[in-house]
Amino acid sequence: DIQLTQSPSFLSASVGDRVTITCRASQGISSYLAWYQQKPGKAPKLLIYVAATLQSGVPSRFSGSGSGTEFTLTISSLQPEDFATYYCQQHNSYPLTFGGGTKVEIK
Amino acid sequence: EVQLVESGGGLVQPGGSLRLSCATSGFTFSDHYMDWVRQAPGKGLEWLGRTRNKINSYTTEYAASVKGRFTISRDDSKNSLYLQMNSLKTEDTAVYYCVRVWSSTWYGSYFDYWGQGTLVTVSS
Repeated sequence: DIQLTQSPSFLSASVGDRVTITCRASQGISSYLAWYQQKPGKAPKLLIYVAATLQSGVPSRFSGSGSGTEFTLTISSLQPEDFATYYCQQHNSYPLTFGGGTKVEIK
Repeated sequence: EVQLVESGGGLVQPGGSLRLSCATSGFTFSDHYMDWVRQAPGKGLEWLGRTRNKINSYTTEYAASVKGRFTISRDDSKNSLYLQMNSLKTEDTAVYYCVRVWSSTWYGSYFDYWGQGTLVTVSS
């Protein structure tokens, strides 16, 4: 199985900060990585797929990059509504797997 | 508008069974692969399994943690997805999400729509 390791697991930041979350895969997954945002009590929401493609309706302050085994999700200027938990997910092979999550909280 | 609505969650004793349903609307259900994902309380996301579409013979894939205990099925005539859960364990306690897979290729094997989730509690 492909393990996804997210770092950090917890991040404290201020509105307007640039935030970067890393997801490392235990083996190469080409560009087949998605990012999701989850707010408390809600279902996850797709942000980015195939590593760098922004889902329709997602603000352009979100961006993704990477390929192979190392990927990043960047929020260029953190907004109040961005405080949430973020998960990466590989869509390269079965079983599909998720990273452990990164919780972004207000400093 | 795409909608996925799960139902059937509740309290069940260890060793028991439960069947979850996911009613969908707003898209051509028969075209899409459909998956189940769960989230234990305070924990991360876990993929459970997939049912492919008719063109791909409705074949299924499962995570090792549920293979042999859980069965995913679908009824394209009812635009519905199902998860039959048998031999339930306390560690199966979680919110269960029905999710739509964007496309049948690995390029598109991510989840573009999620239901609101249904809580399953396995406890004596």
